[in-house]
Amino acid sequence: DAKTTQPPSMDCAEGRAANLPCNHSTISGNEYVYWYRQIHSQGPQYIIHGLKNNETNEMASLIITEDRKSSTLILPHATLRDTAVYYCIVRAFNAGNNRKLIWGLGTSLAVNP
Amino acid sequence: NAGVTQTPKFQVLKTGQSMTLQCAQDMNHEYMSWYRQDPGMGLRLIHYSVGAGITDQGEVPNGYNVSRSTTEDFPLRLLSAAPSQTSVYFCASTPGGGGYTFGSGTRLTVV
Repeated sequence: DAKTTQPPSMDCAEGRAANLPCNHSTISGNEYVYWYRQIHSQGPQYIIHGLKNNETNEMASLIITEDRKSSTLILPHATLRDTAVYYCIVRAFNAGNNRKLIWGLGTSLAVNP
Repeated sequence: NAGVTQTPKFQVLKTGQSMTLQCAQDMNHEYMSWYRQDPGMGLRLIHYSVGAGITDQGEVPNGYNVSRSTTEDFPLRLLSAAPSQTSVYFCASTPGGGGYTFGSGTRLTVV
């Protein structure tokens, strides 16, 4: 599975959009982009995933560039409860081979009042 | 659905002791995995299972054993605890594609 690069930290004002970037220049054609977040010391929480089309759900939007080498997670109206570490992961949709799944250190997002 | 349930939430062991971390899921997910998370490091895969009766090693399997006798349960056994195994352990499951559902974690200290 490809490795991802994320900024170590970001700040966002409450109520504003938070745009979290992720680079995955070595992504393979069958690999999806997944985003998770970890609030304090809880277990990671799945947010969204996509292959090449932009995706939106009740939590966030995922924008993937046309060459699929980078993506952006958008929290449209960040709240204090969105303060967390956000992880960008790329992996094949079939979870059967996850020995090389790499979780980096993610981006620590601080939403400020 | 309870999701992924891990027990215990906290545990202190003495060096050399053995113990089992429990993980159960009620979502009928085929795929389950165990991770450890240490300060300054990302989640690291210990062992995983793609279905009942099938397990395989992840990135850091030494010192840990697993078994998968049912779809629901995936216990992690520490054979002889060492201080290097002090960590937070997370169990996760997925139906095969899509996102993982994680448990709330077990915080283990080995003294």
